[in-house]
Amino acid sequence: GAGVSQTPSNKVTEKGKYVELRCDPISGHTALYWYRQSLGQGPEFLIYFQGTGAADDSGLPNDRFFAVRPEGSVSTLKIQRTERGDSAVYLCASSLFSGGDLDEQFFGPGTRLTVL
Amino acid sequence: ELKVEQNPLFLSMQEGKNYTIYCNYSTTSDRLYWYRQDPGKSLESLFVLLSNGAVKQEGRLMASLDTKARLSTLHITAAVHDLSATYFCAANLDSNYQLIWGAGTKLIIKP
Repeated sequence: GAGVSQTPSNKVTEKGKYVELRCDPISGHTALYWYRQSLGQGPEFLIYFQGTGAADDSGLPNDRFFAVRPEGSVSTLKIQRTERGDSAVYLCASSLFSGGDLDEQFFGPGTRLTVL
Repeated sequence: ELKVEQNPLFLSMQEGKNYTIYCNYSTTSDRLYWYRQDPGKSLESLFVLLSNGAVKQEGRLMASLDTKARLSTLHITAAVHDLSATYFCAANLDSNYQLIWGAGTKLIIKP
């Protein structure tokens, strides 16, 4: 399909472990976003890429969280020393980033992270 | 700081009835989004509202934006069971693509 894809769909890890979550945006979309959604809440912004660079990482909760997008397409969200409070659904979105209606963000299915 | 508030947070209604979900935001925003989320699923874009007075309709859903009142509404006409879902509004700060989200309105439509 042509939508945003995320892998894995589910990830269970132990407290203190390192995890990587992958996002494959829609082809041609230059903007990529990561959000975190806890049960019963709206998404919470984490970081936004325009091309390869992180244009806004103000939503990353602390320095255990890091994201990269080395070639301006696929992005990886990395979480070090995971804590139980990191458990959530991590959503990725992409947009064409050319103004007007084309800034609409299209979301992937999410990765459900559970930290035991 | 931009804050987005939705109400109600929960709505149970009968099929065939009309209702409105309200979305207030606290500071200037240049666009307002409505999304739908089914249980265990991701977010599906419904509407993007770009200017004061904008109105968009798709089927039984109609969204409008009043930038002066900092208010957007999502109106449901003659509700059907298939519209049961959680509806989110989101806004962004002027010239900033970071979306700030409401808490969502869980809509249950009973046959």
